[in-house]
Amino acid sequence: QQKVQQSPESLIVPEGAMTSLNCTFSDSASQYFAWYRQHSGKAPKALMSIFSNGEKEEGRFTIHLNKASLHFSLHIRDSQPSDSALYLCAVANSGTYQRFGTGTKLQVVP
Amino acid sequence: AQTIHQWPVAEIKAVGSPLSLGCTIKGKSSPNLYWYWQATGGTLQQLFYSITVGQVESVVQLNLSASRPKDDQFILSTEKLLLSHSGFYLCAWSLHLGKDTQYFGPGTRLLVL
Repeated sequence: QQKVQQSPESLIVPEGAMTSLNCTFSDSASQYFAWYRQHSGKAPKALMSIFSNGEKEEGRFTIHLNKASLHFSLHIRDSQPSDSALYLCAVANSGTYQRFGTGTKLQVVP
Repeated sequence: AQTIHQWPVAEIKAVGSPLSLGCTIKGKSSPNLYWYWQATGGTLQQLFYSITVGQVESVVQLNLSASRPKDDQFILSTEKLLLSHSGFYLCAWSLHLGKDTQYFGPGTRLLVL
């Protein structure tokens, strides 16, 4: 059964810093990799996703995937207090199931 | 634009009582629908998915059931609540099944006492 783990569990960074979040998965047949952001008390919202090895940038956010290492990451450039939230990674293979990680709680302090 | 609505917003229920949570999707025909459960501060656990009216598949067994009576409606229910059912219930839809962006509703917060 697919295992998806995130690190660190929590993170505090100063405003303007680069934030890096990590996600590892166990199924080498995984095909879809995504990051979601969940502000306190709210529903998760998709940030970005990637299908193939490499990088993808959207604004201040970059996702990097290395399938051989069973690892992908999210990098947030110029972190803002509004970025403070729970970040969830998600992985899916060819099936019907998208498995989520346990989350990284990010706090950006002014 | 697609909108997703869940009801009720929150519930406080007694152990052993029945429960029915609802979800409607507007602006998207034949969406793939999902129910998720999230313990406080915990990970998202997919409970059910549905690709069409009348067809619901269970992902995990938590003494819950789901139905899709209409194309735009997804219902989660149980006849007897357990303390472990407390949490945040989220309905979501996606264009493609599984490996696609999931769009979540606002959620229903449930407390079982």
